[in-house]
Amino acid sequence: QKEVEQNSGPLSVPEGAIASLNCTYSDRVSQSFFWYRQYSGKSPELIMSIYSNGDKEDGRFTAQLNKASQYVSLLIRDSQPSDSATYLCAVSTGGFKTIFGAGTRLFVKA
Amino acid sequence: DTEVTQTPKHLVMGMTNKKSLKCEQHMGHRAMYWYKQKAKKPPELMFVYSYEKLSINESVPSRFSPECPNSSLLNLHLHALQPEDSALYLCASSQGAGAGEQYFGPGTRLTVT
Repeated sequence: QKEVEQNSGPLSVPEGAIASLNCTYSDRVSQSFFWYRQYSGKSPELIMSIYSNGDKEDGRFTAQLNKASQYVSLLIRDSQPSDSATYLCAVSTGGFKTIFGAGTRLFVKA
Repeated sequence: DTEVTQTPKHLVMGMTNKKSLKCEQHMGHRAMYWYKQKAKKPPELMFVYSYEKLSINESVPSRFSPECPNSSLLNLHLHALQPEDSALYLCASSQGAGAGEQYFGPGTRLTVT
């Protein structure tokens, strides 16, 4: 069974802090990695994609990928209350299937 | 434009009804997806269409019937649903072969009574 594991949280951080969200996956042939943000009652919104080892930065978001450790993370700098949401880690092996983790709930305290 | 639209936003239907969910994208994407999402769970893949052909059916019950009339449209026909089918139904699209970056529509909140 191919799996994507996330800590369900909630992860609580104060406003302005760095939020660190982690994800591990079981299938070594996974090629593509995504982070989606989902507000309560809304649909998932793609915020980051990463395909090769290392860091990828986009504004306040940094995705980190370590294929040897089968680990992908998302850092949110200068966290804002508007970042409070569930963050879904998603992994694809290159076919049409994307496996989603159960999500980590993030709460940013003002 | 990364917009995927879905109609209706909300749908309440009885177990004997027939209804359809609609999804549209104008990004030129060639893969379109139907997902089902229950509360506090991740999206669960139901169907994938690639170049207007059904590529994946995740053993979904036949009371759900997908249709892809053209490269921009995706329908999900519903018939004789059960109360446990109540969920958020999400449509997504991606650019081409392989599950690249997927863009989700706002979803249809379905309640089966």
